[in-house]
Amino acid sequence: EDQVTQSPEALRLQEGESSSLNCSYTVSGLRGLFWYRQDPGKGPEFLFTLYSAGEEKEKERLKATLTKKESFLHITAPKPEDSATYLCAVQVAGTASKLTFGTGTRLQVTL
Amino acid sequence: NAGVTQTPKFQVLKTGQSMTLQCAQDMNHNSMYWYRQDPGMGLRLIYYSASEGTTDKGEVPNGYNVSRLNKREFSLRLESAAPSQTSVYFCASSDRGGNQPQHFGDGTRLSIL
Repeated sequence: EDQVTQSPEALRLQEGESSSLNCSYTVSGLRGLFWYRQDPGKGPEFLFTLYSAGEEKEKERLKATLTKKESFLHITAPKPEDSATYLCAVQVAGTASKLTFGTGTRLQVTL
Repeated sequence: NAGVTQTPKFQVLKTGQSMTLQCAQDMNHNSMYWYRQDPGMGLRLIYYSASEGTTDKGEVPNGYNVSRLNKREFSLRLESAAPSQTSVYFCASSDRGGNQPQHFGDGTRLSIL
């Protein structure tokens, strides 16, 4: 069975305190790994797609990396506006674009 | 630039009532999806439509039906609502082809008493 596990469940950082979120996966054949950001009362907002081990993508203070078993979302010098829930999802080969989501990491960045 | 629009945003139903959740996208995407999100659980796929005229079951289809009305619109129907269907429902769409990201609406918050 395809599984996606995110850790930690919640993370509290001070502004400027860098950290990483983890997404580990067990799938039969990875077609793509997606990172989303979700604000309270809103739908998930697409951030990145990673396709193969060793790939990296960056956007402002966020950098996503991928290995054969997990992905990391690195947050460098976070600001309060980075506070949100970050979701990881995998697309498995042969599943017609369906995504399997993790339960998310709730990030709070304080002044 | 609306993207994916869901209506209504909130709804309260009584057990046994029926309801249709509406979703429309203006990105000319071929594929559309319905998910539910519950506390402590990841988004779970209810139904999806790979292209106009086709629909398929996802992970949790029981108690739901869908209609792909045209390329833009994909509706989700609860025929006889149950308290276990209290959830936040999200619609998403994506372009044709593998690895295309899905783009989400802001959800319908549904409570069933």
